[in-house]
Amino acid sequence: DAMVIQNPRYQVTQFGKPVTLSCSQTLNHNVMYWYQQKSSQAPKLLFHYYDKDFNNEADTPDNFQSRRPNTSFCFLDIRSPGLGDAAMYLCATSRDFSRGSYEQYFGPGTRLTVT
Amino acid sequence: SQQGEEDPQALSIQEGENATMNCSYKTSINNLQWYRQNSGRGLVHLILIRSNEREKHSGRLRVTLDTSKKSSSLLITASRAADTASYFCATSQGAQKLVFGQGTRLTINP
Repeated sequence: DAMVIQNPRYQVTQFGKPVTLSCSQTLNHNVMYWYQQKSSQAPKLLFHYYDKDFNNEADTPDNFQSRRPNTSFCFLDIRSPGLGDAAMYLCATSRDFSRGSYEQYFGPGTRLTVT
Repeated sequence: SQQGEEDPQALSIQEGENATMNCSYKTSINNLQWYRQNSGRGLVHLILIRSNEREKHSGRLRVTLDTSKKSSSLLITASRAADTASYFCATSQGAQKLVFGQGTRLTINP
């Protein structure tokens, strides 16, 4: 089945130790998104890739970076995690909205704990 | 800033009853979507309603959209325990991204 896969599902990192979360998709969608979701809150968009074009949200901290080496994979790098970065990180994909398809497909998320 | 506001924030009903949750937004939209999120999981798309539509049905789901009031409602009929989840509305305003509401936590009691 076509899907969005996130690894690992649970990640524990130490304060200040760089961590990378990964996302892959078999949907061949050209747009990939990274969201941060804290407990009982809405998903907050960090950035998205439209093909290879990177689009950062204005309020995304510099501590968060992303890479998309090819259509299928996208990575979220947190350079120096703080306690406030503990959250669920969700990856999502979509087709180009201009084609009239607006649905986003989400992975199961990675729960990040910072100790 | 988040576009949508949802109410109630939490809703608890008995199995078999209907559940209604509401979403309000601030600016013009192309469409509005509803997503479900089970605890600790990703979001799942439920239904999309376009700005020129007023009502849409999908199985036990009924969505309405009132663009004059900038609001939408999601009705789940004959609720089941498996409907226990958080429900989010999301709007598209033309850019290649969605803005999510704060969500409603729905609990169905057996």
